Amino acid sequence: DTGVSQNPRHKITKRGQNVTFRCDPISEHNRLYWYRQTLGQGPEFLTYFQNEAQLEKSRLLSDRFSAERPKGSFSTLEIQRTEQGDSAMYLCASSRGTSGSPDTQYFGPGTRLTVL
Amino acid sequence: AQSVTQLDSQVPVFEEAPVELRCNYSSSVSVYLFWYVQYPNQGLQLLLKYLSGSTLVESINGFEAEFNKSQTSFHLRKPSVHISDTAEYFCAVTNYGGSQGNLIFGKGTKLSVKP
Repeated sequence: DTGVSQNPRHKITKRGQNVTFRCDPISEHNRLYWYRQTLGQGPEFLTYFQNEAQLEKSRLLSDRFSAERPKGSFSTLEIQRTEQGDSAMYLCASSRGTSGSPDTQYFGPGTRLTVL
Repeated sequence: AQSVTQLDSQVPVFEEAPVELRCNYSSSVSVYLFWYVQYPNQGLQLLLKYLSGSTLVESINGFEAEFNKSQTSFHLRKPSVHISDTAEYFCAVTNYGGSQGNLIFGKGTKLSVKP
């Protein structure tokens, strides 16, 4: 169990550019979540996958944001035409996805995005 | 809609003193409750959770939290803190019977333990 990994750890980009982040969940975890955390705030839910199916999306996920999880393994989060307001820490988490009561979400170290 | 309020953004305490980090939630349905901790330069880690049963839940490092439905609270306590407890603590909820994909977090409380 190597934990949830995220790449890159830091990304600096210019406004208007596209960026893509990758998340590798704990192996055999069926659920994968994306959150965004801005300075002084707690993480805010963006979206989550059960295997390859994207089951829930927050209103925070504008049409410039897209997430995929092909084959139900790693996931990518792409932001098109970045804006300065997109600057934040993007967190990925995974869980086993057992039915019934919620299972523990294990978080990665995050990708810090700075939009200049 | 659910929300979480952490009443204190920063809590400074001396080593070996007791501490309470407050968390109140708002929800029209039953909820599950969590405390996560983020140590400096590390990712979020689950500290403890309340799903059902006993309203008092404990972590392995001496923290405990009590679910109080009437007061909609889930305060985190430790009778004697250590320097190593210095971290940011986040309270979170998700609704019972929902999609269980949507953790709602509070803004966090920074605990700094001084020698």
